[in-house]
Amino acid sequence: NAGVTQTPKFQVLKTGQSMTLQCAQDMNHEYMSWYRQDPGMGLRLIHYSVGAGITDQGEVPNGYNVSRSTTEDFPLRLLSAAPSQTSVYFCASSRTVRETQYFGPGTRLLVL
Amino acid sequence: RKEVEQDPGPFNVPEGATVAFNCTYSNSASQSFFWYRQDCRKEPKLLMSVYSSGNEDGRFTAQLNRASQYISLLIRDSKLSDSATYLCVVNKGGTALIFGKGTTLSVSS
Repeated sequence: NAGVTQTPKFQVLKTGQSMTLQCAQDMNHEYMSWYRQDPGMGLRLIHYSVGAGITDQGEVPNGYNVSRSTTEDFPLRLLSAAPSQTSVYFCASSRTVRETQYFGPGTRLLVL
Repeated sequence: RKEVEQDPGPFNVPEGATVAFNCTYSNSASQSFFWYRQDCRKEPKLLMSVYSSGNEDGRFTAQLNRASQYISLLIRDSKLSDSATYLCVVNKGGTALIFGKGTTLSVSS
């Protein structure tokens, strides 16, 4: 039981490049979410999903897309990276939003 | 008023001390409350849920005051290993969680 896995662990991008951050969970959780964490800002919700085929925006969705074609996977796409997207990205999953969130180890992204 | 507010600290305490963290939330419709712990450069992990009647887990006690929209975390007999950032988390009644910015605790010998 791997829990929540994220790849890559670390990535450097140039401004304007696109990439996909991968997130997968093997706990059959319906609720999955993406957060970014910046110094002094805490964790901010980017997008979330309450089940396969259903996604919605969080607090800071601009510049990011998500999809949920399966229960297990919830990739986050950066369409055109900007230096303001330099951050640590965490994926989390839970049975429902009111229950314990299990976080992945994070992806550290640097946009030059 | 921010949705979830915490005193950022840092709280610097000696081993064995008792320390309390406070958190306030703005949405009176909030339904679920949690304390998470985050070690440096690691992912957050659930410390404990917070129930209306208050709850205890070993050296940790959480309290909820719905009337004042206030949550607290008490740590007794602090250990070096308690050094971390403690995040107050609130489910605002919908499908999203709101995280506070965290309170940093440093326990020294």
